[in-house]
This record gives sequence, structure tokens and C-alpha cells, in this order.
Amino acid sequence: SAVISQKPSRDICQRGTSLTIQCQVDSQVTMMFWYRQQPGQSLTLIATANQGSEATYESGFVIDKFPISRPNLTFSTLTVSNMSPEDSSIYLCSVREAPYFNSPLHFGNGTRLTVT
Amino acid sequence: QKEVEQNSGPLSVPEGAIASLNCTYSDRGSQSFFWYRQYSGKSPELIMFIYSNGDKEDGRFTAQLNKASQYVSLLIRDSQPSDSATYLCAVNLMPFSGYSTLTFGKGTMLLVSP
Repeated sequence: SAVISQKPSRDICQRGTSLTIQCQVDSQVTMMFWYRQQPGQSLTLIATANQGSEATYESGFVIDKFPISRPNLTFSTLTVSNMSPEDSSIYLCSVREAPYFNSPLHFGNGTRLTVT
Repeated sequence: QKEVEQNSGPLSVPEGAIASLNCTYSDRGSQSFFWYRQYSGKSPELIMFIYSNGDKEDGRFTAQLNKASQYVSLLIRDSQPSDSATYLCAVNLMPFSGYSTLTFGKGTMLLVSP
């Protein structure tokens, strides 16, 4: 399966600031998925990032708060903007194992964000 | 609203026993089902996936799917303390809009005691 690298692995940020999380994959993939896992909760999909088009956001998530870039088939960034303590979560980048819709997802190591 | 339900646990079993983890889902259109293991502070890792009704075995793990009853389960035979983790169930809906996404349950914590 693809090797997915996320940076930073963790960060502590002040409220009102922004953090950009990078995700690098060692192979070309059509879709990259950004998930959030709040403390004690399961994974919630934020958005799907396709190369060459705008990201598709799930209900409850908006582009102004979570802008996403997808400049090529191996890289994506997620920015958490104007952070508040409620944004403290683990943010996970994921890709499919194979290019079909039933294929399992694999996850990067995640970015653990704490907002003070 | 697509939902995936799991008992949060913890499910406690002694070493060597069979651990049975269950998951129900609300959307009859769900087509594929996944089990992930997540150790504390780590990201989820795929254990198994199943697409068809019945059982699928991989080593000590068996996934069971019953689409009529809308449940999927994971059996872990000869449980080991290293199996202690949170197990996440995820389902994938047949896409109508061109792409599909995974919906995750909240996970069941498994504790295997030596």
C-alpha cells in the first residue's frame, strides 16, 4: 500500500492563528481524503481533494475554515484557519489502496493539533 | 443520515479467548465494510475488509457480514494482549454521485488481559 507522510506530526497553536498540514504520498492517487478525529470520537470526513478541481466538503465543513490545496497527484495540504480550542483534534490524510471505489483507505500518521 | 453503530466497550477478554466485535449500519445501500485497529495515539490501520455475505478469514481474524440484518462483526481468535486497541468499523456506500466515502463507527475498545 501507499506510504503516506504527514507533517507536522503535532503542534500546539494559539487561538486565532492558522496551521497548514501537509500530506505527501509516494504514488500518484486521484483522490485524497482529509479526516478529523476529535478526542474520544471516531473519524469524520472533512473533504475530498481531487487534483485539478475544488475540494468537495462534507456537511458542517466549509472552505473558509478548512481550505485545501491539491497541486498534483501526490500532494495535498489542509489549512485549519482562525483556530479555536474546538479545533483540537487529530487530522488524518488518507488515500485508497487501489483506484476503485470499494478499495480500503489507508491513513497517514496524523497531525495532533492542540489549540490553546 | 448514514450511521454506523458500535458498542463503545471496553470489551474485556482473557488472553487466548475469542473476542467478538459487532457493528450495525443504517444504510441498506452500503456495499463494502472495513475493520480498522487503532492503538492509542496512533492512526487507524486496516485489518480486514469484506464485500459479500458470509465469513472471510485472515489468520486469527474473521469478518462476518449479514446484509439482510445490516450487521458486520469481527472475531479475533486466540486474543493477545497486543490486540488491545480500539476497533473501528467503517462502511462504504455505493456511489450515485461519482465517488464514495467511508463512514466510521465510534469504535469498540478491546482489552485483552494476560
